[in-house]
Amino acid sequence: DVKVTQSSRYLVKRTGEKVFLECVQDMDHENMFWYRQDPGLGLRLIYFSYDVKMKEKGDIPEGYSVSREKKERFSLILESASTNQTSMYLCASSLRTSYGEQYFGPGTRLTVT
Amino acid sequence: AQSVTQPDIHITVSEGASLELRCNYSYGATPYLFWYVQSPGQGLQLLLKYFSGDTLVQGIKGFEAEFKRSQSSFNLRKPSVHWSDAAEYFCAVGTGGGADGLTFGKGTHLIIQP
Repeated sequence: DVKVTQSSRYLVKRTGEKVFLECVQDMDHENMFWYRQDPGLGLRLIYFSYDVKMKEKGDIPEGYSVSREKKERFSLILESASTNQTSMYLCASSLRTSYGEQYFGPGTRLTVT
Repeated sequence: AQSVTQPDIHITVSEGASLELRCNYSYGATPYLFWYVQSPGQGLQLLLKYFSGDTLVQGIKGFEAEFKRSQSSFNLRKPSVHWSDAAEYFCAVGTGGGADGLTFGKGTHLIIQP
């Protein structure tokens, strides 16, 4: 059974803080993704990675960066958190040959005050 | 670029009644289609997927979906809903490149009336 875990379920940070969201998957998946989910907007792709140290911008990368130093771990970084980054953040992973089938973590609800 | 439309933001269904959630996609080539469900405060769980072959696909929890290329649709159905089906449902389309992210619809919130 694929398991994707995220370091925190709930997080409260102040404006201007540097924020790290961690995601770990245990099924040796090549691909990993970060989405944000907002009411009425659905899920939007922030960044994805198809290999260690590789990253690609998604649809809304502004204000975010990522790091993938190990295959199982994909980190999302908010360099200077802002209130408009208050959201639910979802991590996902997939096999390279899976035609896109993704497995999701439980999400991190981030509030920036 | 691909896109997904879920025309219904909210749907209310009585327990025991049938359900159909609509999904229309836009993509120039063969789409890879998914339905996910999200219970409150949880991540997304895959209900079913369509890659090729039989256009009627069966999923978990008694759900099924039918791919209709002529209508660019992939509607989700269930013959009899249970109170535990109340959740947010997302349709998604992929391009088949496993490294690419999925494009999601904005979701349909399903409410079950007793």
